[in-house]
Amino acid sequence: QKEVEQDPGPLSVPEGAIVSLNCTYSNSAFQYFMWYRQYSRKGPELLMYTYSSGNKEDGRFTAQVDKSSKYISLFIRDSQPSDSATYLCAMIPGYSGGSNYKLTFGKGTLLTVNP
Amino acid sequence: GAGVSQSPRYKVAKRGQDVALRCDPISGHVSLFWYQQALGQGPEFLTYFQNEAQLDKSGLPSDRFFAERPEGSVSTLKIQRTQQEDSAVYLCASSLEVSGRPYEQYFGPGTRLTVT
Repeated sequence: QKEVEQDPGPLSVPEGAIVSLNCTYSNSAFQYFMWYRQYSRKGPELLMYTYSSGNKEDGRFTAQVDKSSKYISLFIRDSQPSDSATYLCAMIPGYSGGSNYKLTFGKGTLLTVNP
Repeated sequence: GAGVSQSPRYKVAKRGQDVALRCDPISGHVSLFWYQQALGQGPEFLTYFQNEAQLDKSGLPSDRFFAERPEGSVSTLKIQRTQQEDSAVYLCASSLEVSGRPYEQYFGPGTRLTVT
């Protein structure tokens, strides 16, 4: 079993829909939780990060972390065709967890937003 | 400003050939990382440099893989005697520091290696 599990999709939604993406993980040392967006033939681009548990909102994007369930989510409101990309979750241990620089990624979910 | 750049963007190698992939990090960034992304997978950590020191090479898949950053700036990932399973996108990332903000790694566009 991989440390981080993510449903690869693909996920196809109409423009304006609310999108929910999520990941589960097994390593309780993870403290930083990130979402990256990767367009085709480009490198991953950091969208949002959360430290420990809780919610974080940035415009149309909301990230949630539930450490008790080892489950993280990204919600995209009012989705746009320009949001079409692969979304990768990634995690890093806290300072005392060792290797607190090594990103561990999920497989990525391919999202298509149709006009 | 300029981001992380990688060259070449695409490389086709015959099985058994050696290849060298270059990464130019963001100017002033102390930390540099290499990741390997197989088709349909998330990136996987290969190695980490702080300045010229290679602090972690635990992700390198075999002794055919070698990375260096001799002057603490540009880095080269070398793969000797390439095999078909080495076909992947090789991503380089850099960050100003890892303490405090370990999540701030900026990725380059990657080098797509195809071994035939």
